[in-house]
Amino acid sequence: GNSVTQMEGPVTLSEEAFLTINCTYTATGYPSLFWYVQYPGEGLQLLLKATKADDKGSNKGFEATYRKETTSFHLEKGSVQVSDSAVYFCALRAPNAGNNRKLIWGLGTSLAVNP
Amino acid sequence: DAGVIQSPRHEVTEMGQEVTLRCKPISGHDYLFWYRQTMMRGLELLIYFNNNVPIDDSGMPEDRFSAKMPNASFSTLKIQPSEPRDSAVYFCASKKGGGYTFGSGTRLTVV
Repeated sequence: GNSVTQMEGPVTLSEEAFLTINCTYTATGYPSLFWYVQYPGEGLQLLLKATKADDKGSNKGFEATYRKETTSFHLEKGSVQVSDSAVYFCALRAPNAGNNRKLIWGLGTSLAVNP
Repeated sequence: DAGVIQSPRHEVTEMGQEVTLRCKPISGHDYLFWYRQTMMRGLELLIYFNNNVPIDDSGMPEDRFSAKMPNASFSTLKIQPSEPRDSAVYFCASKKGGGYTFGSGTRLTVV
């Protein structure tokens, strides 16, 4: 079946450090891939997405490239800020989902950025 | 746009009591999702609606849980009777194309 695996947290970095949060998936065909962010006390927000192989999603300095060959969608940011402290969720929507709008979620990776 | 509005933000109730969580989706969004989030199990989809019709309720844990969407602007998630293991943050999300928009959640504590 379809599944998403994220690296376990928590991840603790100093401000301006480079961030990578790994995400790999299992799916038949070409799923759509998403990263969501959850700031403390808030709901999840869409951060970026990619819908086909080799697409790069980007937003707020974060990037992730859809790699079919490695079934990965790793999240990266070149220089993190304290305000990036949050929980990050990787998710996929199965290909040929038709009317099925369910997302398959990773367990989330907590990021803490220290000044 | 006010976003997805959930109420209450916090609910503390005694075991055995009925709990009703409310959600107002973004106007024009045709999908509505109820999620539960806990440290142990992460984010779990409970049920989702399309055009007010329940499409998939396979995530509803048991008969104590029920959800309704009487119209396009309102949905409820009810737990009766509540149990301590139901303590979690419950999120409502809506979408129309694109990504989901989540509400701020209801933190439920059952004592």
